[in-house]
Amino acid sequence: KAGVTQTPRYLIKTRGQQVTLSCSPISGHRSVSWYQQTPGQGLQFLFEYFSETQRNKGNFPGRFSGRQFSNSRSEMNVSTLELGDSALYLCASSLVGGEVGEAFFGQGTRLTVV
Amino acid sequence: SQQGEEDPQALSIQEGENATMNCSYKTSINNLQWYRQNSGRGLVHLILIRSNEREKHSGRLRVTLDTSKKSSSLLITASRAADTASYFCATDPFTNAGKSTFGDGTTLTVKP
Repeated sequence: KAGVTQTPRYLIKTRGQQVTLSCSPISGHRSVSWYQQTPGQGLQFLFEYFSETQRNKGNFPGRFSGRQFSNSRSEMNVSTLELGDSALYLCASSLVGGEVGEAFFGQGTRLTVV
Repeated sequence: SQQGEEDPQALSIQEGENATMNCSYKTSINNLQWYRQNSGRGLVHLILIRSNEREKHSGRLRVTLDTSKKSSSLLITASRAADTASYFCATDPFTNAGKSTFGDGTTLTVKP
């Protein structure tokens, strides 16, 4: 069974630009969550999608948005990039998510904003 | 605020030794999970222990959970250089919207 796939693996963008990251969950998994990981803040929860609906959202500004498609693939978009957005972005998939979800993570997308 | 906090922050041992790391959390949980992350890469799910379980084994891994103390421990026996990584605990990853549900992790270095 293929694991969680995130693309691209590495990305360099300029301040003010926007970026879209993609996550393909494990086949059959309906929940996709996104996390931002930085050395100073650790892993922080961005949002969770389940069956194309945003179910949970973390404390990030509106520049961070996402969506999920009918095949459960998810995209995350960050607009008006800031230097502080440089981070490893991880997505995790699980069958149902929520309190009994066993999450499986992708390798992440390393975003560098210059 | 962080739900899971790992201790110690860093651990350095010789190959073959056992490594023990601890995790404390603040609120009641349904399950607790341990993950490994190799430098700058994605997380690998190691083991999940439910709140009604006290101990769980998986290969060289042994996890205990003490809900009365709100703590868990991960024991890696007969460590190998390949175990060098950061280890995180996470509780109910999707139910604490807005809060970091992972700690900063324990960085384990296994010297050959």
